[in-house]
Amino acid sequence: EVQLMESGGGLVQPGGSLRLSCGGSGFTFDSHWMSWVRQAAGKGLEWVATIANDGSEKYYVDSVKGRFTISRDNGKRSLYLQMNSLRVEDTAVYYCSSANLGWGQGTLVTVSS
Amino acid sequence: QAGLTQPPSVSTDLGQTATLTCTGNNNNVGHQGAVWLQQVQGHPPKLLSYRDNNRPSGISERFSASRSGNTASLTIAGLQPEDEGDYYCSAWDTSLSGWVFGGGTKLTVL
Repeated sequence: EVQLMESGGGLVQPGGSLRLSCGGSGFTFDSHWMSWVRQAAGKGLEWVATIANDGSEKYYVDSVKGRFTISRDNGKRSLYLQMNSLRVEDTAVYYCSSANLGWGQGTLVTVSS
Repeated sequence: QAGLTQPPSVSTDLGQTATLTCTGNNNNVGHQGAVWLQQVQGHPPKLLSYRDNNRPSGISERFSASRSGNTASLTIAGLQPEDEGDYYCSAWDTSLSGWVFGGGTKLTVL
């Protein structure tokens, strides 16, 4: 069974940093491109970042370029999102996902003073 | 980033068939097809199909996807009360180098 499990969310002040993690199991982790997608309360889904299966390609939505970094460690079957210079508008539930496998349960990031 | 177009809401009778649509362009839906997701209130999105009509294991055959040009469709047969929720489409956009999402369709089973 495919499982994706996020962790690392929490409350952080504007300008602060947070690192999200996502562990994958039940599939060949290093064969799949992975993404982070977020959802603000009561809103739709917004793509954040995507990384190639071997980490050679990375793509970001314009609003997080220069602030967020996606990475992965295939040996640990883990996906990461380093978030710096956080803004109030980054507040959302963050999901890790694979386009043809599924989504995790999400982790809540709240940016507030 | 520009998004895909979905009707905000669809209502269909219990036991009937609902068809949801998602319109994009040649760079996204028309290029690699769409992914369909179901989100029930308070739960994470659930993958229903990818690359037009590939269903992950465990997804009911009542859910079937298709595509005609730049418009993708999700058909749900024999509607059940548990099918109520928000349905999102998504596609990789080759010109934007990123995923684009539709605004979601709220499905109500009457």
